[in-house]
Amino acid sequence: ETGVTQTPRHLVMGMTNKKSLKCEQHLGHNAMYWYKQSAKKPLELMFVYNFKEQTENNSVPSRFSPECPNSSHLFLHLHTLQPEDSALYLCASSQETGGTDTQYFGPGTRLTVL
Amino acid sequence: GENVEQHPSTLSVQEGDSAVIKCTYSDSASNYFPWYKQELGKGPQLIIDIRSNVGEKKDQRIAVTLNKTAKHFSLHITETQPEDSAVYFCAATPGGYSTLTFGKGTMLLVSP
Repeated sequence: ETGVTQTPRHLVMGMTNKKSLKCEQHLGHNAMYWYKQSAKKPLELMFVYNFKEQTENNSVPSRFSPECPNSSHLFLHLHTLQPEDSALYLCASSQETGGTDTQYFGPGTRLTVL
Repeated sequence: GENVEQHPSTLSVQEGDSAVIKCTYSDSASNYFPWYKQELGKGPQLIIDIRSNVGEKKDQRIAVTLNKTAKHFSLHITETQPEDSAVYFCAATPGGYSTLTFGKGTMLLVSP
C-alpha cells in the first residue's frame, strides 16, 4: 500500500454518462496529481493541485473536470467522454509540487468508454 | 519543454542475468532523474533516483548512472529475479516547480 487509494478500480461508461473518479491520500501531502496512462505512451500529466489550488492544467479537454475539496481528496469528474479517453487514470501525491519530491501513486482506475 | 526517450520498449532476460534500461533527455537544466517500477494492477512506485551532482547511485541489486554531458542515464539491475518483471519508467525534471516528464516505459520480463 502506498497510502494513496483510488475508487472505483474499474469503470465502464457510455459517451453520454457522467461519472466521477475519487482519490484519497493518507500521507499528509500538500500536492495531488491526475495522470492519464495509455498503452505505449508516456504518463501524461493532466492536473496538479497544491494546497487545494490548481497549479497546472496541461491543455486537458473540458470534459474532464477536477475538484480538490481539501489536501487529502481529489476528484475527476467525467462527462461526454470519447472512446479515445479509455485509459488508466492514476492519482499521485507528493509533499510539495516541486519536481524533486517523490510522487506516490495510487493503483489507478481503468476506464473504458463505449 | 523536456523530452525523455527510453529504450528498449521490451526486454527479456533469463533469471540471474543483468538488465540495462537507457534514457536520454533534452533539457540540460534537468537535475533530478527518478526511476519508477509498475507491477501489474498497481501504480508506479519509486525504486531509485539520482541527482545531477553524482554520477552513480546503488541500492542493493539496482544502480543508476548519469552522464550529464551526453544527457543520458541508465538503470542497471543485476542478478535479476522473476519478481523484477514489471514496467520501468524513467523521468526527468529541472526541479523547482517543474513537474516530471516520463519516458514511455520498458517492459522487463525475467524468465525462471
